[in-house]
Amino acid sequence: GIQVEQSPPDLILQEGANSTLRCNFSDSVNNLQWFHQNPWGQLINLFYIPSGTKQNGRLSATTVATERYSLLYISSSQTTDSGVYFCAVEGRGGSNYKLTFGKGTLLTVNP
Amino acid sequence: KAGVTQTPRYLIKTRGQQVTLSCSPISGHRSVSWYQQTPGQGLQFLFEYFSETQRNKGNFPGRFSGRQFSNSRSEMNVSTLELGDSALYLCASSLGGTGSDEQYFGPGTRLTVT
Repeated sequence: GIQVEQSPPDLILQEGANSTLRCNFSDSVNNLQWFHQNPWGQLINLFYIPSGTKQNGRLSATTVATERYSLLYISSSQTTDSGVYFCAVEGRGGSNYKLTFGKGTLLTVNP
Repeated sequence: KAGVTQTPRYLIKTRGQQVTLSCSPISGHRSVSWYQQTPGQGLQFLFEYFSETQRNKGNFPGRFSGRQFSNSRSEMNVSTLELGDSALYLCASSLGGTGSDEQYFGPGTRLTVT
C-alpha cells in the first residue's frame, strides 16, 4: 500500500518562529489532508489539499502531487500551536476509501 | 451543523469481554470510517462504510467488526477483548460519493482493557 513519511518527527520552537513540516508519499493520491491532534485526541482539520496551495491565517499548505510531497507552513508560531501534526493520504486502487497516516510531527512551541 | 459524535467517550473493559462503540456522522454524510490509534502503531484504518456497505477493510483480525445503519450511523464491535486492543478509536465521516472527500473526525472513544 501507499507509504507516508513525515519529517521532522520532533520540532521545538520559540514563540514567534516559523516552521515547515514535510509529508512525502509513495504513490498518486486522490486526497491529502493535514490534521492537528489536540491534547484530548481529536483530529482537527487544517487543510484538504490534494494539490495546489491554500492559506488559512498563519497556516498555509502546498502539495506538489507530481513530485509526491506536501508542505505545511506555520508562521509566527504560538504556544497553542503545540501538538502533533498528521498528514494523511488516500491512495488509488486498493487504497480507496481510507486514509493512510504518517507518524506525525510533534511540535512544541515554548513561550 | 453538528460535528461527528462518538459514544461513549471513555470505556474500561476486562480481557475477554466485548465492546460496542457508536458513531454518528455529520448530517448529510453517508460515509463513515473507523481508525485505531495506539502509541506503537499510530493511526490505522479499520473499515469504511457507505450506504450500509463495507467498501474497504483494514488489516485487523475478525474480532473487529462494524456495521452501518440506514441513517448512516455506525457501530463497531470488538469481541474477546485483548490487552492490545487498548487504544483511542476514532470515527470519521465524509460525503462519501466519490471516495476522495474531506474527512471529519469525531472526538474518539478511549478504550482501556484490563
